[in-house]
Amino acid sequence: QQQVKQSPQSLIVQKGGISIINCAYENTAFDYFPWYQQFPGKGPALLIAIRPDVSEKKEGRFTISFNKSAKQFSLHIMDSQPGDSATYFCAAKQALSSNTGKLIFGQGTTLQVKP
Amino acid sequence: KAGVTQTPRYLIKTRGQQVTLSCSPISGHRSVSWYQQTPGQGLQFLFEYFSETQRNKGNFPGRFSGRQFSNSRSEMNVSTLELGDSALYLCASSLEGFDTEAFFGQGTRLTVV
Repeated sequence: QQQVKQSPQSLIVQKGGISIINCAYENTAFDYFPWYQQFPGKGPALLIAIRPDVSEKKEGRFTISFNKSAKQFSLHIMDSQPGDSATYFCAAKQALSSNTGKLIFGQGTTLQVKP
Repeated sequence: KAGVTQTPRYLIKTRGQQVTLSCSPISGHRSVSWYQQTPGQGLQFLFEYFSETQRNKGNFPGRFSGRQFSNSRSEMNVSTLELGDSALYLCASSLEGFDTEAFFGQGTRLTVV
């Protein structure tokens, strides 16, 4: 019940295209859903995050869509660029009730944007 | 503002040895969490410390331990190393709060031979 399932495992997109990564969770107590971007040799860095009382959040070319009833959320990268090539992780945490920083991560998606 | 600093960046150890990894959080951050990253298992939570107390622990054997000092710096220790402990160990720090961002360090790459 603590798992977060992420798909696809890898993704190849042409420059200018839309990249879509999906995640699903079971634990309805999760109340904070961040997406992290990781480049080789670096630690993950927060890209964008959403709370379950919001259905969509947009920051620049990055959008999170959240479906509370389906327990799913997704990351859309519009106008994908070669510089977006990285590994993306969705995550979830049970922040409000347990006051913890413990993040449960999806398995990751390796995105390659072809020029 | 300096980021999360992890030392050393790389380590090679022999099976059966023990190892200590260090993490200096961002100034003012009192919450420090540790994660293990491997190609097969992804990013897995090890433990979280806040104000020198372990607040949460993941599903790892007792060989994995940690502590936090009064200046919020944290160390994790792995005893009796096994080949399967080879991984990237990441430390993250954050401010206290519901949806505060976790800032990750670059990690320590541990190789057990």
